[in-house]
Amino acid sequence: EAQVTQNPRYLITVTGKKLTVTCSQNMNHEYMSWYRQDPGLGLRQIYYSMNVEVTDKGDVPEGYKVSRKEKRNFPLILESPSPNQTSLYFCASSRTTGDYNEQFFGPGTRLTVL
Amino acid sequence: GQNIDQPTEMTATEGAIVQINCTYQTSGFNGLFWYQQHAGEAPTFLSYNVLDGLEEKGRFSSFLSRSKGYSYLLLKELQMKDSASYLCAVRDYNTDKLIFGTGTRLQVFP
Repeated sequence: EAQVTQNPRYLITVTGKKLTVTCSQNMNHEYMSWYRQDPGLGLRQIYYSMNVEVTDKGDVPEGYKVSRKEKRNFPLILESPSPNQTSLYFCASSRTTGDYNEQFFGPGTRLTVL
Repeated sequence: GQNIDQPTEMTATEGAIVQINCTYQTSGFNGLFWYQQHAGEAPTFLSYNVLDGLEEKGRFSSFLSRSKGYSYLLLKELQMKDSASYLCAVRDYNTDKLIFGTGTRLQVFP
């Protein structure tokens, strides 16, 4: 089944404790992206990657890191989480050629930073 | 810059028709997407428009006017399961980024 998976789905942590949210897709997509979703603000892009070893900042990259060492994986790293990073996070992937290139979203990771 | 506007909330009755509008301003337009998102779940793709006109897909249709920076999503024969948020998103030509509106929360009542 074609899908984007994220782990963990739920996470409660404390300020300053490094964490990684994994994202993996099995559709051989070149493009991958991380978003956060907050009430009243919609989906905002954190980082994106056009292909392996190519990453770029989105609209709200501060406090986050990413890597793209393999095509299928795009982990999101919070080196020193803070309470303002409490949010619902989505990973997404898509092709970069073709008509639609619609983004397929993972199930989401609900993060709470105390 | 880029800006997308859509109503925050709408209500409708089961069996009715509802139109959700989206207006956008972007420096480089390369398509408009509509996504459906049930509470706490991932957005799922509904429709895509890149040329002016109407695209129909079963009970859902989407319209685009590039000259007016305007799109709408039309939902017919509303069902209770259509209660969800509907996200309008514009793809930037230069970066391939999707810029999302804040979404329209639709509540369908019996």
